[in-house]
Amino acid sequence: AQSVAQPEDQVNVAEGNPLTVKCTYSVSGNPYLFWYVQYPNRGLQFLLKYITGDNLVKGSYGFEAEFNKSQTSFHLKKPSALVSDSALYFCAVRALYSSASKIIFGSGTRLSIRP
Amino acid sequence: EAQVTQNPRYLITVTGKKLTVTCSQNMNHEYMSWYRQDPGLGLRQIYYSMNVEVTDKGDVPEGYKVSRKEKRNFPLILESPSPNQTSLYFCASSLRGVEGDTQYFGPGTRLTVL
Repeated sequence: AQSVAQPEDQVNVAEGNPLTVKCTYSVSGNPYLFWYVQYPNRGLQFLLKYITGDNLVKGSYGFEAEFNKSQTSFHLKKPSALVSDSALYFCAVRALYSSASKIIFGSGTRLSIRP
Repeated sequence: EAQVTQNPRYLITVTGKKLTVTCSQNMNHEYMSWYRQDPGLGLRQIYYSMNVEVTDKGDVPEGYKVSRKEKRNFPLILESPSPNQTSLYFCASSLRGVEGDTQYFGPGTRLTVL
């Protein structure tokens, strides 16, 4: 079965420290991986994606993610956290299913950055 | 401005009273989708559409209907809402719904069924 796991419901980091939000996946074939962020009372916004090529992907707001095929992971990272990074983060994978294409979301990780 | 709009943003209704949540996008996207978001469950896909008159079930389609008569609109219909459909609903669209496409999300509709 195809799935995405975000093992941490919440991640707490002090401002200025590096942050990591974890994501692992299980799909058949090549994965197409995404990170989205949801701020309070807002829809999801695209952060970054991995399709092919360089395993380190850079995205919006200084975020990056590293694709690791052997560990089937796509962890989101940022070298120095800001209070404004506090939000709900979703990892997603697009899988090929029949003639259509479905995207599967993880359960979300709430990131809290303390001043 | 490129965007996905949903209406209404908030809705409180009673069991059994039919309702429709509208979704519209102005980006000429072929792919549109509906999700519901519940605490601890992330986003679950209800229905999606690859193009006009082409719709298919997602992971949790029971109790919902959709239609895609025009490319820009993808309404979600609850014929007989029940309390377990209380949730936060998001509409999304992408260019073609293929592997690397980025989805654009609407602002969400918070539905409460009493």
